[in-house]
Amino acid sequence: AQTVTQSQPEMSVQEAETVTLSCTYDTSESNYYLFWYKQPPSRQMILVIRQEAYKQQNATENRFSVNFQKAAKSFSLKISDSQLGDTAMYFCAFTVRGGNEKLTFGTGTRLTIIP
Amino acid sequence: GAVVSQHPSWVICKSGTSVKIECRSLDFQATTMFWYRQFPKQSLMLMATSNEGSKATYEQGVEKDKFLINHASLTLSTLTVTSAHPEDSSFYICSASDWSSYNEQFFGPGTRLTVL
Repeated sequence: AQTVTQSQPEMSVQEAETVTLSCTYDTSESNYYLFWYKQPPSRQMILVIRQEAYKQQNATENRFSVNFQKAAKSFSLKISDSQLGDTAMYFCAFTVRGGNEKLTFGTGTRLTIIP
Repeated sequence: GAVVSQHPSWVICKSGTSVKIECRSLDFQATTMFWYRQFPKQSLMLMATSNEGSKATYEQGVEKDKFLINHASLTLSTLTVTSAHPEDSSFYICSASDWSSYNEQFFGPGTRLTVL
């Protein structure tokens, strides 16, 4: 079974600063996907970024980037130039590639951007 | 693209009644749909996975007779909470994926259920 661990229940950072959210996972699979989802106060789940395990290059999406360390089973999210709209719950998630597509979520990190 | 809707967004019902929640993929055909439950300040817990035209696969500990899932078409799945009780009050979220989505799930906006 897969597990996803987010060790930071809450974080806060000043607007325009950079923040890194941690995520580790445990799996015996070699081919999988990792995701970061954002859940703002509206509770709509929004995909932030996706990483394919077979790709060594870290994924980036504008101000969002990941540090994917496959051997260490680590998948952290870096948010640069943080904005007030980044305030949300952030969930790290894992799914096996080619499997039944079930997502395993971490417990989440509540991020607050301070004006 | 990849929009998923849920209806209703909010429902209040009396204990003992049944409530149906609809999940629709608006601009793609969802081969697989998922139902999650989320308690306040907690993560999403997968309840069941449904594939169009077949029976849903429930996660361990989820009562299949209480949470009826139907995925009759490639764009619609329904979750019926039967004989609802206050402990069923929660936020229910559906998601959908298709063959081309590279394991990405597209989430609906959720339904808040309150059982009095």
